[in-house]
Amino acid sequence: GENVEQHPSTLSVQEGDSAVIKCTYSDSASNYFPWYKQELGKRPQLIIDIRSNVGEKKDQRIAVTLNKTAKHFSLHITETQPEDSAVYFCAATPPYNNNDMRFGAGTRLTVKP
Amino acid sequence: NAGVTQTPKFRVLKTGQSMTLLCAQDMNHEYMYWYRQDPGMGLRLIHYSVGEGTTAKGEVPDGYNVSRLKKQNFLLGLESAAPSQTSVYFCASSYDGPPMNTGELFFGEGSRLTVL
Repeated sequence: GENVEQHPSTLSVQEGDSAVIKCTYSDSASNYFPWYKQELGKRPQLIIDIRSNVGEKKDQRIAVTLNKTAKHFSLHITETQPEDSAVYFCAATPPYNNNDMRFGAGTRLTVKP
Repeated sequence: NAGVTQTPKFRVLKTGQSMTLLCAQDMNHEYMYWYRQDPGMGLRLIHYSVGEGTTAKGEVPDGYNVSRLKKQNFLLGLESAAPSQTSVYFCASSYDGPPMNTGELFFGEGSRLTVL
């Protein structure tokens, strides 16, 4: 089955700096890669996703890049704000079992004002 | 719309006791899922359902059972709770299984279960 590794496990940045979180996946057939944000004590919520036929996707201050050859994808947050502080999870979905989305272990991002 | 709601939100059990977590969604979603969240391990799929009357095993199904008698409800049961089942449980639903449509999972608020 698919295996997703996420780094770093914790990340601390100053407000206004950029943050980058990286994930690698094992199954080259995986074709859907979402990112979820979970604020403290809250439910995970989708913030951005990318499919394997696209190399990059942006949504305001958030972008995701995908390198299929290297089997890794990254979340980029620019101009970070204190409200970006949360745990971020990446995930990958193999097409042979597209209901078994595998999540990374999460990255706790702290944005210091 | 309430979205996805879970009950109870907190529960403490003794080893060997049984309990059921209820998940309800009002978005007419076909797909429903139960995940557990443990520190440093992300979200792991326990069981899922692709429609009323169907269930399937996920990554970590042992010790759990599920039922989907109605489209809007997905129940997670623990027949004989063990300390290893101490976790935060999240229910989720989606319009279609990823990656057919958006693939977005809508999560409930979570249920924190402690087994002593």
